[in-house]
Amino acid sequence: GENVEQHPSTLSVQEGDSAVIKCTYSDSASNYFPWYKQELGKRPQLIIDIRSNVGEKKDQRIAVTLNKTAKHFSLHITETQPEDSAVYFCAANFGNEKLTFGTGTRLTIIP
Amino acid sequence: ETGVTQTPRHLVMGMTNKKSLKCEQHLGHNAMYWYKQSAKKPLELMFVYSLEERVENNSVPSRFSPECPNSSHLFLHLHTLQPEDSALYLCASSQEFHLGASPLHFGNGTRLTVT
Repeated sequence: GENVEQHPSTLSVQEGDSAVIKCTYSDSASNYFPWYKQELGKRPQLIIDIRSNVGEKKDQRIAVTLNKTAKHFSLHITETQPEDSAVYFCAANFGNEKLTFGTGTRLTIIP
Repeated sequence: ETGVTQTPRHLVMGMTNKKSLKCEQHLGHNAMYWYKQSAKKPLELMFVYSLEERVENNSVPSRFSPECPNSSHLFLHLHTLQPEDSALYLCASSQEFHLGASPLHFGNGTRLTVT
């Protein structure tokens, strides 16, 4: 069935260190993998996405890697800052249409 | 300005009440969605409308009734809800639905509490 698993559920890192969040998906036909950031009391916002024709995409301190063979993708945040504290959700599309989301990772940056 | 506006932000209702959630998007998108967000659970897709036609009803109980009068507006009518329906209800829009790789733009949500 349609399934996206996300780990870890909580993550605390020292300011300036890197954070990595991992997701696995079940449908080998999935070809779109976005990441959303949701700050406390706010709406989820797209921060980066990757399509299956590339293995890595970078935007300043944020990068996403995709391993289609293993069916997993990861979010990497370098030089973390307090404003990076939020809940991060991965997602994958199924049947080329619906997005299915992971359960979220609560990231806390320790000053 | 988020581009997707939801009202009300907070709603408390009894199990016998009838209320409606409203969503409006100013992005010129063709698809609109209702998601339910509960604690420690993934975002759950409830309904999808593409060009005002419902294309997805994800096994949602009939006490939730969506309405999409035009491509910019989406409603969720609520009646005889249960306490377990308490959650954050998020509206979203995207350029297209059937293209499958269209980013979602979310509203700020309605925090619903059923007493």
